[in-house]
Order: sequence, then structure tokens, then C-alpha cells
Amino acid sequence: AAGVIQSPRHLIKEKRETATLKCYPIPRHDTVYWYQQGPGQDPQFLISFYEKMQSDKGSIPDRFSAQQFSDYHSELNMSSLELGDSALYFCASSPSPPNEKLFFGSGTQLSVL
Amino acid sequence: GENVEQHPSTLSVQEGDSAVIKCTYSDSASNYFPWYKQELGKGPQLIIDIRSNVGEKKDQRIAVTLNKTAKHFSLHITETQPEDSAVYFCAASPGGGADGLTFGKGTHLIIQP
Repeated sequence: AAGVIQSPRHLIKEKRETATLKCYPIPRHDTVYWYQQGPGQDPQFLISFYEKMQSDKGSIPDRFSAQQFSDYHSELNMSSLELGDSALYFCASSPSPPNEKLFFGSGTQLSVL
Repeated sequence: GENVEQHPSTLSVQEGDSAVIKCTYSDSASNYFPWYKQELGKGPQLIIDIRSNVGEKKDQRIAVTLNKTAKHFSLHITETQPEDSAVYFCAASPGGGADGLTFGKGTHLIIQP
């Protein structure tokens, strides 16, 4: 079965650089969530989209933005990167109608040096 | 908002023994309680979930119990195997989508051979 696909798998950036993370949800899933997970931490909700509109916003810094495109894939744009942004970033999708079941991708490991 | 507490943070059991992980939640409006398993380098994977109109749910070696009055729910794994070693997260949600999903801090389960 198709799963949530995230790219890149690993990303290394310098401070103050920008990064773009991509997420391709499971086919026919129209809701996408972004989470940040620090080492040994639980996933922290950043932002979600339903039918290409922002659905909810969590602890996402103002330096970050995201959007969902017409094909339902989503991108998380991160600017002015800080050392503290180093973390695993997960995308999850869920089926329609709005559903609590989350299907996570394998994540993008972002390292800011 | 919702607060989910999870115990223990680390659990070591002998292969073949049972493991129990406990969570409490604070918001009486929560009605959906999933459990996720996260292996090293992978995203969390939903392994079992329960809704507040059910007291217990079982799927092979995994079971979840819910005490709505006491606001706690537990994950039970019987006949543990080496592949059960992972970090387990409980979560709680008021339903109608995963925007309000709150995770516990996680339990690192170690299966000793």
C-alpha cells in the first residue's frame, strides 16, 4: 500500500539559510499535518491543511510557512534557520472526511550547523 | 488544553513477558485515544486505537483499555518479542479530525532476550 512520502530524507543547512521540506500524502488523503520532533521528544504539532486550506496552527514559528497544493502535496518552508530548528520533521496524512487516524511519513532529519 | 501524561518513560521486560504502558488525560471532551509505535529512524505508526464508547479493544497480542471516569487508558502487550522494542506514544483527541491530537511523552520499551 502507498504510504506518505517525504523528501528529502536528510538535510544539512547552515544558520540563517532556508529549507523546503516536501510531503506527498497517501492517495485520496486530503488532510496533511506537519510535526516537529526533537531528540527523545514527542511529536509537536506545527500546522495542518484540509482541502488546500490551512486547518489549524500549532507551535509553528513565524519564520516557517507551509502550503498545500492542488495535488494535495504539501511543502514546509523554513527561513532564517536556527540551531534549535534541528529536528525530525514529520508529515502525516489522514483520509476524508476529517478523521483522527494519522499516517506518518518517515520524516526529514534537518540538521542546522 | 489537553494534557496527556505517560508512564513509565522507559520499560524493560524479558522476552515473552507482558508490558503495560499507562496514560492519563485531562480533558473530559477527549473521546479518541490512539497508540503509536515509533521505531528508530521511522515515523510513528498507528498500532491500535479506542473510542470513549468502548472500554477495551484487542488486536492479537495488543490490547487497550479505557477508564473514562478516571481519565486513563493503558496499552497491554502480551508475549513480547524483540520486534516490539520501540518507543510507544499514547495520544488523546476530542475527535472530528486530528488537529486536537495531543501526544504523551513516550515510553521506550526494551525487550530483553
